[in-house]
Amino acid sequence: EAGVAQSPRYKIIEKRQSVAFWCNPISGHATLYWYQQILGQGPKLLIQFQNNGVVDDSQLPKDRFSAERLKGVDSTLKIQPAKLEDSAVYLCASSFTGASYEQYFGPGTRLTVT
Amino acid sequence: GDSVTQMEGPVTLSEEAFLTINCTYTATGYPSLFWYVQYPGEGLQLLLKATKADDKGSNKGFEATYRKETTSFHLEKGSVQVSDSAVYFCAARGSSASKIIFGSGTRLSIRP
Repeated sequence: EAGVAQSPRYKIIEKRQSVAFWCNPISGHATLYWYQQILGQGPKLLIQFQNNGVVDDSQLPKDRFSAERLKGVDSTLKIQPAKLEDSAVYLCASSFTGASYEQYFGPGTRLTVT
Repeated sequence: GDSVTQMEGPVTLSEEAFLTINCTYTATGYPSLFWYVQYPGEGLQLLLKATKADDKGSNKGFEATYRKETTSFHLEKGSVQVSDSAVYFCAARGSSASKIIFGSGTRLSIRP
């Protein structure tokens, strides 16, 4: 079974530029999550999708971050414009349903904003 | 709000040593508790879980017991191996929500 795929693995941009991350969840998983993991901290949920609908985006900085999950499969997370404090690893995870205990994580995208 | 506090690292042990990584939680109700592991260059993986008080989760020689009276879920292993070197995250999910709250992680290094 293929795992959660993310790209790119690394990205370096200057502040005020924009960036987009892509995630392909495990086939058949209805729930998709984006997390932000700042160095030395645990992952923090940014947004949760159930199919192509948003379940929780309470911690998403909506003035600069946006995410979509068209057709309930792949998802993109965008930052525009980026700030220095956005430097982090962005993790995508998926689960069979929102009530599933186990979330399957991708390898993450390491973003550096200079 | 809900929170998870775990032992700061890094933790360095010799092979075959006994491991304990402390974790305590603050949550209303009866959360489910988890340990996730992140091996170098890989994504987080669920290591073990416990969903109610006094449950013991176990996997790959690791164990953790859900202690409601002390709000703890400490991770233990009797004899660690070099391959156990990784970052370990304690996590909790409240009974009324699906959001997982992670601790800050503990980096474990095992010397041969």
